[in-house]
Amino acid sequence: EPEVTQTPSHQVTQMGQEVILRCVPISNHLYFYWYRQILGQKVEFLVSFYNNEISEKSEIFDDQFSVERPDGSNFTLKIRSTKLEDSAMYFCASSTEGRRGYTFGSGTRLTVV
Amino acid sequence: AQTVTQSQPEMSVQEAETVTLSCTYDTSESNYYLFWYKQPPSRQMILVIRQEAYKQQNATENRFSVNFQKAAKSFSLKISDSQLGDTAMYFCAFMNVLGGATNKLIFGTGTLLAVQP
Repeated sequence: EPEVTQTPSHQVTQMGQEVILRCVPISNHLYFYWYRQILGQKVEFLVSFYNNEISEKSEIFDDQFSVERPDGSNFTLKIRSTKLEDSAMYFCASSTEGRRGYTFGSGTRLTVV
Repeated sequence: AQTVTQSQPEMSVQEAETVTLSCTYDTSESNYYLFWYKQPPSRQMILVIRQEAYKQQNATENRFSVNFQKAAKSFSLKISDSQLGDTAMYFCAFMNVLGGATNKLIFGTGTLLAVQP
């Protein structure tokens, strides 16, 4: 069964550093998403991406965040200057048509120290 | 704004028994989608079941079924013949069908289900 692949599975970074979280969505999917889950809390929407542009972003997705689809396969989330409160599990997801439900990746645990 | 409420933070069930997880939501829309996702200790989010609001028939996927009460804005998940592998956090989620290219999911806070041997 096709999978959404996220790398790395765990990243530790120092406060103020830039991080890039990488995702390879399922190849024929058209919609891409990033969600985050702070430990023990609910899953929160960050951003959706379709047709090479952001279609919606949440209040969490401020100027420190950006997304990119640099080639036909990768979908990246960049955090320019990490803060302690950015520590969370970040999930990438993709879908052919969002209303049928997404396929999530297994997540990247980001720890900011 | 839509909200999703899961009022049971934790539940426990004996293996082979049946358990029902509750979910209520609030929306002014008439057409939308509802989902249950499972998050086992591996942390991956796995789609369990999906319901389209304009369909009256309750969705079923093997041992998993829903009780969708549109007027009451209730969407509960029933797990029959519970197995140890069902131990996980279960999230209820809402998607507005008018979201267009967004199709974002709004999640509840989750119910941690423990299946006891």
